[in-house]
This record gives sequence, structure tokens and C-alpha cells, in this order.
Amino acid sequence: EPEVTQTPSHQVTQMGQEVILRCVPISNHLYFYWYRQILGQKVEFLVSFYNNEISEKSEIFDDQFSVERPDGSNFTLKIRSTKLEDSAMYFCATQGLADYNEQFFGPGTRLTVL
Amino acid sequence: AQSVTQLDSQVPVFEEAPVELRCNYSSSVSVYLFWYVQYPNQGLQLLLKYLSGSTLVESINGFEAEFNKSQTSFHLRKPSVHISDTAEYFCAVSPFSGGYNKLIFGAGTRLAVHP
Repeated sequence: EPEVTQTPSHQVTQMGQEVILRCVPISNHLYFYWYRQILGQKVEFLVSFYNNEISEKSEIFDDQFSVERPDGSNFTLKIRSTKLEDSAMYFCATQGLADYNEQFFGPGTRLTVL
Repeated sequence: AQSVTQLDSQVPVFEEAPVELRCNYSSSVSVYLFWYVQYPNQGLQLLLKYLSGSTLVESINGFEAEFNKSQTSFHLRKPSVHISDTAEYFCAVSPFSGGYNKLIFGAGTRLAVHP
């Protein structure tokens, strides 16, 4: 069964460093999302992406964040200068044209900022 | 804006007992409703969804949820739980918008099934 994959599974970084989280969507999916979950808190929407541009973003998704699909397969989330409060589990989700309202989630990347 | 409240952060239950995980939502527009499950060290998996039609929806592993518009609720139930149902369960809503839209999640309910 096709699945969404994410790398790395765990990333430890120093405050102020840049990180790139990677997601490989299910083949032929066209809608992409990033969510995050700070430990003990809700899963929160960050951004949605379609046709090589951002469809919607939340207040959390400030200028420190960016997304792209650099090679037509990977979908990446970049945090330019990490802060302690960026420590969280980051989930990628993808959706196909036929999957009306069903998003398929990856296993997540746990980001720890020291 | 939308919000989702899951009233119980943890629900302990014995194997073969019934369980109900509660979910209430608030929205100024019509929404679709979802339950996702997260097993340890795995991603979120869709358990069931309500888009329209019958207000009672069922999953393949015995869970069901009923949409109650007047009470703005979408509680998840199972008449007899198994050890393997131990997981975190997330209720979520998505506003009507062509089917491709963000999910707004509740805080999650950790279901612990004991032998």
C-alpha cells in the first residue's frame, strides 16, 4: 500500500540553525500539507501547497518557514533560523484528486532545538 | 473559525468493555468531520469520516461515530475494545471548501485498553 514517508525521523539542531524536513508524497498526489504537534499540545496546521504555490498558511508559518517541491517528488519544509519553541513533531500529509477530503499522513519528524 | 474540543485527554478501559471518546466542535460554517488514530511511533491514519448523508458512520474495525448537528458533536464509540485499540485518537474538522482544505484537530484522547 502506498504511503507517505518523511526524513529524518529525528533531527536535533542548535538554536539559530537551518533545518530542512523532507516528505515523499504518495505518487500522483497533488495537495500537500505540513502540520506540527508540540509535545502535549494539539496537531496544528502550518501550510497547504498546490500547483507549486502556497494555498493557505497559518499564523505560525511566518517568514522563518518556507516550503517547496524542488524536484517534483520531495516536498520540503525549511526553517531558516530555528528557535527553541520550534521543537515539535512535524507531520507531512498529502491528498490526491480522488481522495475527497482524505489526507494521508507520514510518520512525522521529531525536531529538537537545543 | 473552527475549533475542536476533545473532552477526555485519557480514557482507560478494560478489554471487551465499550468505550466512547467525546468530540465537540465549533464552527460558523458547515464542516466535514473526521477521526484519526495514531498508533505508537506511527503517523495519523484516517479511522472514519462524515461528509454527508447518514449521520452514523462506521469503520472497518468496529468503531462508529455519529454526527449530531444540534449538539455539534461527533463522538466515537466501540461496543467492545481490544488491546490493539490502544492508541491516541484525534477528532478533526475541515470547513466545506471543495474537499481540499486544512484539518483542525482536537487535542487528542489517549485510549488505554487493559487486559
